[in-house]
Amino acid sequence: EAQVTQNPRYLITVTGKKLTVTCSQNMNHEYMSWYRQDPGLGLRQIYYSMNVEVTDKGDVPEGYKVSRKEKRNFPLILESPSPNQTSLYFCASSKIRAESTEAFFGQGTRLTVV
Amino acid sequence: QQPVQSPQAVILREGEDAVINCSSSKALYSVHWYRQKHGEAPVFLMILLKGGEQKGHEKISASFNEKKQQSSLYLTASQLSYSGTYFCGTERPYDYKLSFGAGTTVTVRA
Repeated sequence: EAQVTQNPRYLITVTGKKLTVTCSQNMNHEYMSWYRQDPGLGLRQIYYSMNVEVTDKGDVPEGYKVSRKEKRNFPLILESPSPNQTSLYFCASSKIRAESTEAFFGQGTRLTVV
Repeated sequence: QQPVQSPQAVILREGEDAVINCSSSKALYSVHWYRQKHGEAPVFLMILLKGGEQKGHEKISASFNEKKQQSSLYLTASQLSYSGTYFCGTERPYDYKLSFGAGTTVTVRA
């Protein structure tokens, strides 16, 4: 089954404690990205990657890091989480410039930073 | 850089129609439309690649005016299952950055 898998689904952490949210896709997609969703603000892109070892900042990259060492994985790293990073996070993947570049989303990770 | 969606919310009775608009200040390669049910991930509805192209999904269709960088989503004869938040996503022509609007919450009542 084609899917994007995020882990964990729910996470409560304390300010300053480093954490990683994993994202993996099994569709051999080149493009992967991370979004955060906040009420009234929609989906805002944090980082995106066009292929292995190629990453770029989205609209709200501050406080986040990513890496793309393998095509299937695109982890999101919060080195020192703060309460304003409490949000719902989605990972997405898609092909690039194919006839249909539908983005497939993971099930989301609800992060609470206290 | 996020596209602008309007309206923010709309309430319909079953069978009524609605239009959701999406506009960008930047040149676009494509426009995507997604629907998100409460507590779930966004799900792809359709993508529009050419200016003036229209596509349909059930009784949901969309148009894309490439020159104006605008797209509209048309909900026709709405059903209860159409309730959710609709997002437009815009893709730039020179990279693969996909940006989403703030969303339009659609509530369809019996």
